[in-house]
Amino acid sequence: EVQLVQSGAEVKKPGESLRISCQGSGYSFTGYWIGWVRQMPGKGLEWMGIIDPSDSETRYSPSFQGQVTMSIDQSISTAYLQWDSLKASDTAMYHCARLGTASRHHLDFWGQGTLVTVSS
Amino acid sequence: QSVLTQPPSVSGAAGQRVTISCTGSRSNIGAGYDVHWYQQVPGTAPKLLIYGNSARPSGVPDRFSGSKSGTSASLAITGLQAEDEADYYCQSYDSNLSGGVFGGGTKLTVL
Repeated sequence: EVQLVQSGAEVKKPGESLRISCQGSGYSFTGYWIGWVRQMPGKGLEWMGIIDPSDSETRYSPSFQGQVTMSIDQSISTAYLQWDSLKASDTAMYHCARLGTASRHHLDFWGQGTLVTVSS
Repeated sequence: QSVLTQPPSVSGAAGQRVTISCTGSRSNIGAGYDVHWYQQVPGTAPKLLIYGNSARPSGVPDRFSGSKSGTSASLAITGLQAEDEADYYCQSYDSNLSGGVFGGGTKLTVL
């Protein structure tokens, strides 16, 4: 069974750093790109970017380029999303998902989401 | 302002049929890129409903169907059930942004 399990909710202060995780299981982790999606409170889904677990190639959406960093640890089948200096506007639910291969850029399996709250 | 445009809300009585539209442009749907649909029940993660314009993943009822024409796509839901009440998002690829793009989402209310 394909599963993506994300790390737990975080409460941080502005200016702090943060790394959240997404661990895949039940499939060949390096065989499928991982995507990250932001959902701000009460709002819709926003495409942040994707990363290839086989070689860590990344493709960021222009809105998120330079704002976050995606990375991979193949040894533990885990993808990461990192901020160096959080802002209040980073408060959101962050979803990771696997890119399916049957069609371009669709997300076939999703993690449960990680809620990030940034508040002073 | 989302790249793909969806109506904010639709509603229908139980048992009826509703459609949700998704309008794009020549850099995404109109360029031939596939459209995918997701269902998000409040408080839960999104779930893939339709991929490749009209294909259903295993386990998705055939009450859900997708189509695409020109710069637009549609999701149709027949035999509405109370459990269908959720937010629905369309998604495609955009060549200008070199990445995926979502619609703003449509809230379905089952009357």
